[in-house]
Amino acid sequence: DTGVSQDPRHKITKRGQNVTFRCDPISEHNRLYWYRQTLGQGPEFLTYFQNEAQLEKSRLLSDRFSAERPKGSFSTLEIQRTEQGDSAMYLCASSFWGQVNSPLHFGNGTRLTVT
Amino acid sequence: AQKITQTQPGMFVQEKEAVTLDCTYDTSDPSYGLFWYKQPSSGEMIFLIYQGSYDQQNATEGRYSLNFQKARKSANLVISASQLGDSAMYFCAMRAYNQGGKLIFGQGTELSVKP
Repeated sequence: DTGVSQDPRHKITKRGQNVTFRCDPISEHNRLYWYRQTLGQGPEFLTYFQNEAQLEKSRLLSDRFSAERPKGSFSTLEIQRTEQGDSAMYLCASSFWGQVNSPLHFGNGTRLTVT
Repeated sequence: AQKITQTQPGMFVQEKEAVTLDCTYDTSDPSYGLFWYKQPSSGEMIFLIYQGSYDQQNATEGRYSLNFQKARKSANLVISASQLGDSAMYFCAMRAYNQGGKLIFGQGTELSVKP
């Protein structure tokens, strides 16, 4: 169990550019989640997958955001035409879904800065 | 709709003393779980403790205990014998079984432990 890993740790981009983040979950976990966290706030849910199926997307996830989890393993989160308001920490988490008591295990996040 | 409320933006506690961090929640789902996470300044989200809606006893994990009052819809975290390393942001979160697997987080409480 090597934990949830996210890449890159930091990303600085100019407004209007596209960015993509990667998340590798704990291998035996079947659920993968994306959250966004701004300074001083709690994580906000964006979307989650069970295996390769995307089961829910938050209304926070505008058309510029897309997430994939091909083959039910790693996941990518892409933001197109970035805006300054997209600057945040993007957190990935995974869990084993079978019981409501399964905690989410988080990665260290990708900090995005849009200039 | 689910909601988590943490009304204490910041708390101070003297080293070796106990501290209670407040959390209230709202859900119409009879089956749900309550989680507490710690987020140090380094950014990782660390799972601390879990309480299920049907659990008869309050959860305990080492120095952490959860004061669960179902009728009041509160799930306060108690940290006994505070240590300097307990200084961090603390988030209360909820998962309702019939709302999918996502966690909904509160705004957090910043705990500072004084020597």
